[in-house]
Amino acid sequence: GEDVEQSLFLSVREGDSSVINCTYTDSSSTYLYWYKQEPGAGLQLLTYIFSNMDMKQDQRLTVLLNKKDKHLSLRIADTQTGDSAIYFCAESRGGGNKLTFGTGTQLKVEL
Amino acid sequence: GAGVSQSPSNKVTEKGKDVELRCDPISGHTALYWYRQSLGQGLEFLIYFQGNSAPDKSGLPSDRFSAERTGGSVSTLTIQRTQQEDSAVYLCASSLASGNTGELFFGEGSRLTVL
Repeated sequence: GEDVEQSLFLSVREGDSSVINCTYTDSSSTYLYWYKQEPGAGLQLLTYIFSNMDMKQDQRLTVLLNKKDKHLSLRIADTQTGDSAIYFCAESRGGGNKLTFGTGTQLKVEL
Repeated sequence: GAGVSQSPSNKVTEKGKDVELRCDPISGHTALYWYRQSLGQGLEFLIYFQGNSAPDKSGLPSDRFSAERTGGSVSTLTIQRTQQEDSAVYLCASSLASGNTGELFFGEGSRLTVL
């Protein structure tokens, strides 16, 4: 299909790991992105991965990319209540700066 | 301020009225984007500006929607004869034209409610 797909909700306990999954569509995307949206705020870039990489680690965040399956995931280690937000994956179709976003995954962190 | 500024933050209007939403991008960012965020729909691309020109208007949902950008800076999104399905948060973002990573900087959005 043409949509960037994500599951809508994920609930985890504080201290556990969270894994948010995304299926994208354009194999020519140069970069793939994870954006975070906190309540009442705009989106902020969390991390990105270049398409010739299969993994990127940045402190508590690990991004995995499976180009064959067009699957992107974001793992958050030791999830905290401050991580509660909506997480969007995005691809740059055609390699430009115009990003196509997924539906967003709402992460809820429970004590 | 240093970020993308949008106004109004909230707008309630009656069906059939026209509305204008404003975006002031980060200084020096030549690319500007409008997205629409509806409940459960994710972000829907509307239009993209490079300088004052709009090479990609493919996301505008109908001819009631238009946008312009003047002086390579402020942009206005206009919705004519608003309908209830236009209710959403309208997000503006800007970026450096030649940004390799394609990072978009978003404003906090304008929440539009059409009664």
